[in-house]
Amino acid sequence: QSALTQPASVSGSPGQSITISCTGTSSDVGSYNLVSWYQQHPGKAPKLMIYEVSKRPSGVSNRFSGSKSGNTASLTISGLQAEDEADYYCCSYAGSSTFRRVFGGGTKLTVL
Amino acid sequence: QVQLVESGGGLVKPGGSLRLSCAASGFTFSDYYMSWIRQAPGKGLEWVSYISSSGSTIYYADSVKGRFTISRDNAKNSLYLQMNSLRAEDTAVYYCARDQVVTHEFDYWGQGTLVTVSS
Repeated sequence: QSALTQPASVSGSPGQSITISCTGTSSDVGSYNLVSWYQQHPGKAPKLMIYEVSKRPSGVSNRFSGSKSGNTASLTISGLQAEDEADYYCCSYAGSSTFRRVFGGGTKLTVL
Repeated sequence: QVQLVESGGGLVKPGGSLRLSCAASGFTFSDYYMSWIRQAPGKGLEWVSYISSSGSTIYYADSVKGRFTISRDNAKNSLYLQMNSLRAEDTAVYYCARDQVVTHEFDYWGQGTLVTVSS
């Protein structure tokens, strides 16, 4: 059982927008604006898409955006494209006592 | 460009040991914290261990504490994970990742190395 809860799957048609939720607790997501999101294509390494809840690394499309409310973070992908089909994982810092990071179980995005 | 290349994975019997390596290039390795993250077949990601830039601060996930040892050699731009007393549940692809100490994201990942624990 993962520490953060994500829907197992979401889907959308090209051009549409989708949102993936990531629910944690007051000990992780709710306490720190240190949520990151990763995209993973089959057989490939994860790629950082969002950090500090809503910041995009250089080179990541502005179609990807992040937000947080309380214990739930969200990743929104607008203008869906075929290449967005992948698994998406959220991750949150969980405290300075252990520098532990906790991941969500992952969400499979299908572009219809 | 930043490159992380893992090696050392393979098939090992339960109770056995394995040492993973991660060769870093394209950045000043000694300036960065590093982590190992694993992914069991068909499963999600699990953070395993973290080491500070100097090697003086180390943390482990509860699932590997006492069995795994993370280390680094800044002169060789290399990160290591010594895995002892391996169990079937340690079977996974192991990734090394550059760890941003202030904002706690993993900004670069290697391609991973597969560890299979089976008799």
